[in-house]
Amino acid sequence: NAGVTQTPKFQVLKTGQSMTLQCAQDMNHEYMSWYRQDPGMGLRLIHYSVGAGITDQGEVPNGYNVSRSTTEDFPLRLLSAAPSQTSVYFCASSYRRTGTYEQYFGPGTRLTVT
Amino acid sequence: AQSVSQHNHHVILSEAASLELGCNYSYGGTVNLFWYVQYPGQHLQLLLKYFSGDPLVKGIKGFEAEFIKSKFSFNLRKPSVQWSDTAEYFCAVTPYFGNEKLTFGTGTRLTIIP
Repeated sequence: NAGVTQTPKFQVLKTGQSMTLQCAQDMNHEYMSWYRQDPGMGLRLIHYSVGAGITDQGEVPNGYNVSRSTTEDFPLRLLSAAPSQTSVYFCASSYRRTGTYEQYFGPGTRLTVT
Repeated sequence: AQSVSQHNHHVILSEAASLELGCNYSYGGTVNLFWYVQYPGQHLQLLLKYFSGDPLVKGIKGFEAEFIKSKFSFNLRKPSVQWSDTAEYFCAVTPYFGNEKLTFGTGTRLTIIP
């Protein structure tokens, strides 16, 4: 298994540009999520999905969109990039079994917005 | 909603010293608890987890953590640290029933001096 994969690894955007961060997993996990990691703030949940066709907002959803058309893929869209979105983005996935929510993380995407 | 506090922001130790990193959580029900580690430039990896049973859990690389329900704590310990333990450590919690959303603490940066 490749686990959780993310592309690209690095990206530089100008303010106002849009882009999509890709996330895929091959473990047939129902649950997928996106976090952003900022210094001194830990990881904060942006959006999550409990299955294909079902998404919901996390702690910091503004400026981001998601969709889940398949079990494997969970792309994160930045609609109009802002410098405040400069961060490292991690995708994670897990099974949905009560009491066993161990999440597996991808390698991350480092995004800089100028 | 749950929350996690990690009061040690940066810990500096010499090799062979003993380690204890604090983690306290806030939630009114049963929880799952996790410690993740992030080595420089890498993604998060699961160090250990507690779901139920023995409150003393052992993880990889000689780490262990003790769940003390009365204190809402899940401190991470290692008897003798190595230079290779230099990393950032995150405590995280999910409710045991029906909620996969991980809530992270802000992290503790551990620096080991050879």
